[in-house]
Parts: sequence; structure tokens; C-alpha cells
Amino acid sequence: GENVEQHPSTLSVQEGDSAVIKCTYSDSASNYFPWYKQELGKRPQLIIDIRSNVGEKKDQRIAVTLNKTAKHFSLHITETQPEDSAVYFCAARPDSSYKLIFGSGTRLLVRP
Amino acid sequence: DTGVSQDPRHKITKRGQNVTFRCDPISEHNRLYWYRQTLGQGPEFLTYFQNEAQLEKSRLLSDRFSAERPKGSFSTLEIQRTEQGDSAMYLCASRGQPSTDTQYFGPGTRLTVL
Repeated sequence: GENVEQHPSTLSVQEGDSAVIKCTYSDSASNYFPWYKQELGKRPQLIIDIRSNVGEKKDQRIAVTLNKTAKHFSLHITETQPEDSAVYFCAARPDSSYKLIFGSGTRLLVRP
Repeated sequence: DTGVSQDPRHKITKRGQNVTFRCDPISEHNRLYWYRQTLGQGPEFLTYFQNEAQLEKSRLLSDRFSAERPKGSFSTLEIQRTEQGDSAMYLCASRGQPSTDTQYFGPGTRLTVL
């Protein structure tokens, strides 16, 4: 069935270091891969996304890479700051569907 | 505020009662989604509307759940005969034109079934 696996479930880094979160999807026809940030008690907010015809996308300190052959995509945050602390969710949209399938989340803690 | 709004923000009910939630999407967004999120998990898809047509439903959506979007603007999600397992955050998201992939989420309705 359709599934997105996300690792690690928790990640603690020192301020200024980089953080990497990885996701694997099962439906090879998936065509859209967004990343959402959710702070405690808040709504999920899109931080970056990538479509299947692109291998990499960058927006300031955030980048996403996609490997269609391996069916995995990753979020990279450089020069982390305490305000980056939150839960991050990856998602994939199967080609035959309108929905997003979310990973189980990564709780990122950036230590000052 | 031009974002997605949801009402109520919190709902406490007793098992067996019916509840109804409302979602107002971003103006002119014709695509609307409902998700459910439990503690420590990612949002789980429930159903999707394009204008007033319900085009996709999750198998998770039992016959106790029903959603409507009668005029293609706001949507309602009703849960009948609530069970303790229905306790969760119910999130609504909206999306604009076909060329835009981004789903914008509302603040959610937190349901607690006692």
C-alpha cells in the first residue's frame, strides 16, 4: 500500500550545525513531495516542496533532494537556529490521488 | 485573516454524541481536504473536495463520518455516535488552482471524546 517512512523520529543538534531528515516513499508514481513544519499547538506550515521532475531545490538555509530511483527524499537545514526547533513532516502525493501521505514526523531540537 | 479557518477550535463530547466541524478555506480555493492527526503522528487523509464534488475518500472514513461542501465554499465534517478512538485533531486544508500544489492548513479542531 501507499506509505511514507521518515527517519529519525527525534534529532538533537547544536545551534549552527546542519540537520538532515530522510523519507522513503512506496508509490513510485508519486509526483510531489512537500515538507511541513509544525510547532507545538500550531498548524502545519509548508517550508519547501519539490516535484518529481526536479532533483534538488534550495531556499536559503533549507534544501530538499529527491532520488526517484531509490524512492527517497531528504530535508537539509544548514546553520540551524533555536527557532528551527519543531516537528517536521515529509509527505508524498501518489500520482493517482489528490491526497498527501505524511511521514510520522521528526522532532528537531536545536540546542543554543 | 485570509488563511484557512476552522470552528470550533476545541470540542469535548461524550461518547455516542454527534459532532460537526466547519472549515472555511482560503477565498477562491476550490480544493479542500480533511485530515486527522493524532498525537505524535503525521496528518492522515480523510477526504477531498473539488468545488462541491467529493472526489476521494479514505477507507478510514467509516460510515459514521460524513463531509459536505454544498456550495463549493465552506465544508463541514460530521461524526456520528462518537467513540473514544475519534479523539484527535481534525485539520482542514485548502489549495488553489491546478498549477499550485501547496495545501494550506487551518488551525484544526481538537476533539476529545470522553
